[in-house]
Amino acid sequence: QKEVEQNSGPLSVPEGAIASLNCTYSDRVSQSFFWYRQYSGKSPELIMSIYSNGDKEDGRFTAQLNKASQYVSLLIRDSQPSDSATYLCAVDFRSLGRLYFGRGTQLTVWP
Amino acid sequence: EPEVTQTPSHQVTQMGQEVILRCVPISNHLYFYWYRQILGQKVEFLVSFYNNEISEKSEIFDDQFSVERPDGSNFTLKIRSTKLEDSAMYFCASPKRDNPTYEQYFGPGTRLTVT
Repeated sequence: QKEVEQNSGPLSVPEGAIASLNCTYSDRVSQSFFWYRQYSGKSPELIMSIYSNGDKEDGRFTAQLNKASQYVSLLIRDSQPSDSATYLCAVDFRSLGRLYFGRGTQLTVWP
Repeated sequence: EPEVTQTPSHQVTQMGQEVILRCVPISNHLYFYWYRQILGQKVEFLVSFYNNEISEKSEIFDDQFSVERPDGSNFTLKIRSTKLEDSAMYFCASPKRDNPTYEQYFGPGTRLTVT
């Protein structure tokens, strides 16, 4: 059974803080991992992809992958109220394009 | 970000009716995907389509669903006899490069309401 687990939250942080979002997945041999942001009533918007162990940085976002622990995280530095959304972790277990999504973590950044 | 478009944005239909949802993926791409999201639930994979054939389908994608490429650029998802539980957001997605290992970009979605 392929599972992607996320803390549903809600996670609430003040403006300017670091928000940390976590995700675990069930299959150790998984290769491709993605973070999406979804505003209420909108479609998922790609934030980052990560394929190798370690950190990947893009602006205020850093994705971290630890395949041995089957864990992927997203850090948002200098959080802004506009970052308030649901963050979805997605895993392509077999690198064939089929994405398995977690339930998402709702983030609120308060001014 | 490459653009994926979908029509209509909202479709209301009666139970038992057929609906057709349309998607225009990233230009010239042969891979595309359909997902759905029931309100308050996770995004779920329905089907992947490559070069005019289904490459994978989930257990959700039963006989009432079908996908087609009626012309060179448009793709459709047809639900033959809608049920109340088909009410959801339906998203199509296209990979960044025409290869299933790349990041997928989602269209804006079609909200299907079955009454």
